[in-house]
Amino acid sequence: GEDVEQSLFLSVREGDSSVINCTYTDSSSTYLYWYKQEPGAGLQLLTYIFSNMDMKQDQRLTVLLNKKDKHLSLRIADTQTGDSAIYFCAEGNSGYALNFGKGTSLLVTP
Amino acid sequence: DVKVTQSSRYLVKRTGEKVFLECVQDMDHENMFWYRQDPGLGLRLIYFSYDVKMKEKGDIPEGYSVSREKKERFSLILESASTNQTSMYLCASSLGQGGYEQYFGPGTRLTVT
Repeated sequence: GEDVEQSLFLSVREGDSSVINCTYTDSSSTYLYWYKQEPGAGLQLLTYIFSNMDMKQDQRLTVLLNKKDKHLSLRIADTQTGDSAIYFCAEGNSGYALNFGKGTSLLVTP
Repeated sequence: DVKVTQSSRYLVKRTGEKVFLECVQDMDHENMFWYRQDPGLGLRLIYFSYDVKMKEKGDIPEGYSVSREKKERFSLILESASTNQTSMYLCASSLGQGGYEQYFGPGTRLTVT
């Protein structure tokens, strides 16, 4: 399938902003998603963006999409210890399944 | 509130046993998926189903089979469990074709000894 790439780890201090990056290769993507997985749990949809949008903001979360470079980012403002989790980027197109990245482990330190 | 449930959170089985993992969704979704998740490898798609009795192989179907007799239920079967099938198994469902979001169950941690 098409590739979705993310860095594996990110560490930030509590109160700072976190930026998690993702690149994808499928130019026919229609939706791009960010999922959060807390330890021992399933994936929970955090937010999504349509491929014809550049930005979406939802409280502390900001999603930026650069369609030309096929680059997606998730910014978490005022990061808290409860934000420590694995974050997955995923892209969807005309098919049935989503293509997931391997996930970025975010560690928030006090 | 949408819900995907999995029959067990934790399961321990012996090598060679036949293992059934069950998943149920209450959203009348067309598509259902089985993934396994291993450290450093992310999510890998095992099988998915886009309709009752219909199934498609994912990226790693070897050693697994699936069954979808009813729209709300999707079962993953390990015909003869092996230690390399020790993993976290995640079930998901989605509305239909077209890149729709997937809703995930809580996962089953399977250990094969």
